[in-house]
Amino acid sequence: GAGVSQSPRYKVAKRGQDVALRCDPISGHVSLFWYQQALGQGPEFLTYFQNEAQLDKSGLPSDRFFAERPEGSVSTLKIQRTQQEDSAVYLCASSPNDEQFFGPGTRLTVL
Amino acid sequence: AQTVTQSQPEMSVQEAETVTLSCTYDTSESDYYLFWYKQPPSRQMILVIRQEAYKQQNATENRFSVNFQKAAKSFSLKISDSQLGDAAMYFCAYRSRRGTYKYIFGTGTRLKVLA
Repeated sequence: GAGVSQSPRYKVAKRGQDVALRCDPISGHVSLFWYQQALGQGPEFLTYFQNEAQLDKSGLPSDRFFAERPEGSVSTLKIQRTQQEDSAVYLCASSPNDEQFFGPGTRLTVL
Repeated sequence: AQTVTQSQPEMSVQEAETVTLSCTYDTSESDYYLFWYKQPPSRQMILVIRQEAYKQQNATENRFSVNFQKAAKSFSLKISDSQLGDAAMYFCAYRSRRGTYKYIFGTGTRLKVLA
């Protein structure tokens, strides 16, 4: 079946622009996670949804980051007024249980 | 807070040989999961192997096996009969059985396979 998909795969933004990153999880997966992966580093947790409820947003680095999953399926990670330090790969993962299934990521470059 | 440490930024192995990647972690919990994920260049992460902390037996998946030492908080990955397709970044990850189930990742080990 289809895996986790993310769009766009690549995004270039000028500093100060707003961006929206989309995640389509595997159908039926209740849990959805967002991670930020800086160059040469391991992924770091941003936020977690169980269905439409955002149960943990402790990893969001600032109030410029906002995530939603209004119908318990597709999720969007929004970054307002992007800064150069936001440049990273943003990974989405969905999970039916213990294992997480990752998407290909969106590589965000802020100039 | 839990932490995961991978002390080998890069490893090399000859094709058909065996290599071991190291991972240590710190936690005060007694029940948790540990994972090894593979991230090929420009491709998505895929699960290699998982271990449940309450199971004493080391997990095995074909050419991949782990050496899980709970008391030492060590979780190494052994790849036997290495193949060119094994070349990738390998990440060790910890997941609590409580809370939000987020993964805590190490910084990764880049594995090169030499023909």
